[in-house]
Amino acid sequence: KQEVTQIPAALSVPEGENLVLNCSFTDSAIYNLQWFRQDPGKGLTSLLLIQSSQREQTSGRLNASLDKSSGRSTLYIAASQPGDSATYLCAPSGGETSGSRLTFGEGTQLTVNP
Amino acid sequence: DAGITQSPRHKVTETGTPVTLRCHQTENHRYMYWYRQDPGHGLRLIHYSYGVKDTDKGEVSDGYSVSRSKTEDFLLTLESATSSQTSVYFCATRGSSTNSPLHFGNGTRLTVT
Repeated sequence: KQEVTQIPAALSVPEGENLVLNCSFTDSAIYNLQWFRQDPGKGLTSLLLIQSSQREQTSGRLNASLDKSSGRSTLYIAASQPGDSATYLCAPSGGETSGSRLTFGEGTQLTVNP
Repeated sequence: DAGITQSPRHKVTETGTPVTLRCHQTENHRYMYWYRQDPGHGLRLIHYSYGVKDTDKGEVSDGYSVSRSKTEDFLLTLESATSSQTSVYFCATRGSSTNSPLHFGNGTRLTVT
């Protein structure tokens, strides 16, 4: 069974800092990995999807990397802003017992202070 | 968002009553999913559908049933609600490709008293 761990569980930084969120997963036989953000009381918004054949994906100030063989992904946020405050979740898709379904970590709660 | 509407947004019901949550999508996505989100457990898959009338169980399916009679609608039914089913329920959809991203609705907050 795929298990996903996200470290740290919570992070508080001053505005302008570059930061890294970590995600590890136990089953490396994945099709892809998605990063999401969730604002309080809202659904999840897809940020980036990295296919298993890719090493990284970029969208604006966000960069996600994937090391499939070691079961790790990182989300890099450059020049953080208060509007980046949210919970960030990673979700690998696939694995030997998961088919194409996603398994979610519990997330990293990010607070960016002005 | 990918045109996903969940209804109702909030519901309070009593133990033992039936409850149906609705998910409606306008993207013609093949796959649809129901998740529940609870503190300490994260998001857990209840049921999913891979086409009209094609559904399968997720990891926490006991006490829930689903139906998909049209591409755009996926219904989640609690036959006899229990307090342990108090949660936030999310519907999600994605296209047919393995690398299609998953899109979420805004959730339904269900309280069972």
